[in-house]
Amino acid sequence: QVHLQESGPGLVKPSETLSLTCTVSGGSVSSYYWSWIRQSPGKGLEWIGHMYYSGRIKYNPSLKSRVTISVDMSKNQFLLKLTSVTAADTAVYYCARYYGSGSFVWFDPWGPGTLVTVSS
Amino acid sequence: QSALTQPASVSGSPGQSITISCAASNGDVGNYYLVSWYQHHPGKAPKLMIYEDTKRPSGLSDRFSGSKSGNTASLTISGLQAEDEADYYCCSYADSGTYVIFGGGTKLTVL
Repeated sequence: QVHLQESGPGLVKPSETLSLTCTVSGGSVSSYYWSWIRQSPGKGLEWIGHMYYSGRIKYNPSLKSRVTISVDMSKNQFLLKLTSVTAADTAVYYCARYYGSGSFVWFDPWGPGTLVTVSS
Repeated sequence: QSALTQPASVSGSPGQSITISCAASNGDVGNYYLVSWYQHHPGKAPKLMIYEDTKRPSGLSDRFSGSKSGNTASLTISGLQAEDEADYYCCSYADSGTYVIFGGGTKLTVL
């Protein structure tokens, strides 16, 4: 059974880069698509993007210019980088396994989430 | 821009049934794209409840069911229990599969 765990700094300064890691256990990061999703305080869920280890990637158009999702197969992890952050990027960040095709999409399982606060 | 609209809140008493709607702003959901549903207890990982409009993950209680009519998908919870109190989100593709969107979420209160 696949389990996911997010990790990374809980505090990032404005204009800097947010970097998070999702460690995959119980499965190989090269076997599925993986995704990042966030929830800003008091708001709903926002899809950030997803990728396959071979390089197939899709990003939310609203974040595309600042986001990079990548995979580290040696550590069985996938990574999120978000540049030039502002207070609007303060959120709980979740990693999840992505299932999708032409007509359907779902996410299962999810990690417990990690809170990232953008503040000086 | 595509959007999924959910009621902000619903409530019900233990043992009752409730339905949460998820209305798509255009014909994408009704014509082609399938919807998934998630239960989210604050501070915990969201949990997949329904995928491809009506399918339940293995081991999930059959008190949870999904349906769709036209551009509106629905999640029905029967035999409400206290532990069902949570936020619920629908999800689908948008804009010809360009990206993924979530509904705004519905807070379920079990009275």
